Amino acid sequence: GAVVSQHPSWVICKSGTSVKIECRSLDFQATTMFWYRQFPKQSLMLMATSNEGSKATYEQGVEKDKFLINHASLTLSTLTVTSAHPEDSSFYICSARDRQGRQPQHFGDGTRLSIL
Amino acid sequence: KQEVTQIPAALSVPEGENLVLNCSFTDSAIYNLQWFRQDPGKGLTSLLLIQSSQREQTSGRLNASLDKSSGRSTLYIAASQPGDSATYLCAYNQAGTALIFGKGTTLSVSS
Repeated sequence: GAVVSQHPSWVICKSGTSVKIECRSLDFQATTMFWYRQFPKQSLMLMATSNEGSKATYEQGVEKDKFLINHASLTLSTLTVTSAHPEDSSFYICSARDRQGRQPQHFGDGTRLSIL
Repeated sequence: KQEVTQIPAALSVPEGENLVLNCSFTDSAIYNLQWFRQDPGKGLTSLLLIQSSQREQTSGRLNASLDKSSGRSTLYIAASQPGDSATYLCAYNQAGTALIFGKGTTLSVSS
């Protein structure tokens, strides 16, 4: 079945560091990828929609200059948390949708980000 | 505002019980509804997907139903086992859009 690979699965870094998270569709072309964030005991909240070859669409309240999204190919989207601070510590997870928009959306395993 | 509400927030049952998890949503124009399982610190495992034209889906001991008119879905787990302990998330989307998630029901099944 369709697989989405997300890397890294876990990262700890110092405050002020920028962290890049990759989301790859392994056996299908993903024209659209979604980035979510999940705080402890909370629901997954959509941060942004990433479309191949165009600018990402950010949800209200999400800083686009802090969470940089690049979707340069049909199999890769990246989320860069710039100048990360402890309040950015969270679980980040991506999902991908293929060209035909077939369901279900396929999720990566998530990245746990801890900022010291 | 699009919202998904899951009740109860937490549930503890002894092994072998049948149980029902509830999900309600405010949007009538849903395309798909999905139930996921999430283990602590882990990603999502898709359990069942119900398309808008369907009323229910079954997989093993799991059965999910969808009533669009009332804005409700239920996940029925038969003969619960300790390995079923996890958080169960309900989510829906409109055509081509991202999924909107509830906060989940955390299930604990004791042996």
